[in-house]
Amino acid sequence: KNQVEQSPQSLIILEGKNCTLQCNYTVSPFSNLRWYKQDTGRGPVSLTIMTFSENTKSNGRYTATLDADTKQSSLHITASQLSDSASYICVVSASTGANNLFFGTGTRLTVIP
Amino acid sequence: DAGITQSPRHKVTETGTPVTLRCHQTENHRYMYWYRQDPGHGLRLIHYSYGVKDTDKGEVSDGYSVSRSKTEDFLLTLESATSSQTSVYFCAISDKAYTDTQYFGPGTRLTVL
Repeated sequence: KNQVEQSPQSLIILEGKNCTLQCNYTVSPFSNLRWYKQDTGRGPVSLTIMTFSENTKSNGRYTATLDADTKQSSLHITASQLSDSASYICVVSASTGANNLFFGTGTRLTVIP
Repeated sequence: DAGITQSPRHKVTETGTPVTLRCHQTENHRYMYWYRQDPGHGLRLIHYSYGVKDTDKGEVSDGYSVSRSKTEDFLLTLESATSSQTSVYFCAISDKAYTDTQYFGPGTRLTVL
């Protein structure tokens, strides 16, 4: 069964600290993996996309990694800011089949001063 | 929000009442989607459209219908709303395929009493 699991469900960190969010998936055959950021009361916004051949992708203070062998991805946030408080959603695409997009339930990050 | 608007943004209705949510885009993207987002479930696809008058069911389509008479508009209808349809509804668009990066609207919070 194609699934995407994220951990932790929620996380609280101090402003300026780093953190890492995890995404494990069983989606096959794998096409790509995206991380989205969703601010409270708004729609998700794409942060990064990685295909099978890519194992790291950066977007400012956000760095995503992908290990296609172990089917794991992580999103590392450096020097966190209050504006990083949001939910982060991992989305994995399969290369075949209809409705071939699988969403994780997200990690809720709270950055406190 | 990438030229996507949703209306209404908030709605409270009673069980058994018909409800229509509207999504409007100015990006001329071919694909449009309706999702619902509930705690613990993440985003789940209701219906999607791959062109004018071309629509298909998603994971949780029961109790919902859609229509797309113009490229820019995608309507979601709850023929007879139930309390289980209380949720936040997001419209999304993508240019070339379902697995392309999707751009989400601001969401509609629907409460069915």
